[in-house]
Amino acid sequence: DADVTQTPRNRITKTGKRIMLECSQTKGHDRMYWYRQDPGLGLRLIYYSFDVKDINKGEISDGYSVSRQAQAKFSLSLESAIPNQTALYFCATKGPTDTQYFGPGTRLTVL
Amino acid sequence: GQQVMQIPQYQHVQEGEDFTTYCNSSTTLSNIQWYKQRPGGHPVFLIQLVKSGEVKKQKRLTFQFGEAKKNSSLHITATQTTDVGTYFCAATGGNKLVFGAGTILRVKS
Repeated sequence: DADVTQTPRNRITKTGKRIMLECSQTKGHDRMYWYRQDPGLGLRLIYYSFDVKDINKGEISDGYSVSRQAQAKFSLSLESAIPNQTALYFCATKGPTDTQYFGPGTRLTVL
Repeated sequence: GQQVMQIPQYQHVQEGEDFTTYCNSSTTLSNIQWYKQRPGGHPVFLIQLVKSGEVKKQKRLTFQFGEAKKNSSLHITATQTTDVGTYFCAATGGNKLVFGAGTILRVKS
């Protein structure tokens, strides 16, 4: 959905580097989510935020941190990247209904 | 936490054949959603089922929610090459979605 954007779209980095993935949305939604997708495992929730002051851990938050800079922006950081964090990362938003709207994804490779 | 099991993991069909993916939970679900992810794309919402025994159709796609609200299915009649992708079910848990592992559909023309 063009209303949810992610940068970068692809990133290759080395073990131990700090990486930030950014997500922006123009949908005006309060709730934002970060997922990672691995083959055969579906989408797993890393962190989610209900508003700027409300950040919550998901099922796989270890090794990740987030920042909700504004209603429209939600960033995911890997403080010290490791190879098993190689995955496809999606940001999503949720409005008043239960539907989630996903960004185009960031493909991260950690060497 | 809540878990949603989805089968099969992968299905390869001949164009024109039918396809079904199933989603099961050990607990009663308040609702269930279905998403489609095209190859190289992102998940896109298809539908939400809320009521026990609910059946909804979208052209060749038929979605069902079980009477006990513990299972759901997505059936595609006469698959086309445009149907390829991964189909996910997702259950609402609090203000989060819990996704099944997805079923990858490949269609051979």
